[in-house]
Amino acid sequence: SQQGEEDPQALSIQEGENATMNCSYKTSINNLQWYRQNSGRGLVHLILIRSNEREKHSGRLRVTLDTSKKSSSLLITASRAADTASYFCATAGTGSARQLTFGSGTQLTVLP
Amino acid sequence: GAGVSQSPRYKVAKRGQDVALRCDPISGHVSLFWYQQALGQGPEFLTYFQNEAQLDKSGLPSDRFFAERPEGSVSTLKIQRTQQEDSAVYLCASSSPPGQGLRGTEAFFGQGTRLTVV
Repeated sequence: SQQGEEDPQALSIQEGENATMNCSYKTSINNLQWYRQNSGRGLVHLILIRSNEREKHSGRLRVTLDTSKKSSSLLITASRAADTASYFCATAGTGSARQLTFGSGTQLTVLP
Repeated sequence: GAGVSQSPRYKVAKRGQDVALRCDPISGHVSLFWYQQALGQGPEFLTYFQNEAQLDKSGLPSDRFFAERPEGSVSTLKIQRTQQEDSAVYLCASSSPPGQGLRGTEAFFGQGTRLTVV
């Protein structure tokens, strides 16, 4: 089963605008990761934020984590048409399980 | 290798046929994962290997699904007597640190095998 929900399910913006995607999860986590998937391709890791971190930046990406609300957000600034893809959050739990548990994803379309 | 390699990229199987999907992880990566991704959904965990040991197979949906990694590198996911609900993209991922799986680091995914059961 999916760990969490992502919001919105789909997002369409103009090139140059910022895109914000949200992720909620259900159980305690060790870290939360964001991945990108282009149509018909595998997933590519974007950024990892640990449970004791609140914000992290990488290039045009900014991720926040609120463990009290069990939620995270991914902000892509100054979006480009090439950012068009599906974005997934994934959580690594604190238990014995070693796998990531993925959300249902947000489909981002950036219009040129 | 340069990345995680999966083959075939596409597989069409008749209902009832057995299929075998191959994953060649990044050289030296200890941890290997299989995921199933239905259309429009996020990947769902199937099974996890640390070297040749299958440490978690809790996500395998039925006993028709079987995975192995006999020498701790290449892995094969086998589905027996395929059914239409098995149609999905099967993703393989590997990561490096032993003992942590995907807790502390990123996963490297292959491009997946799209299985269509007709």
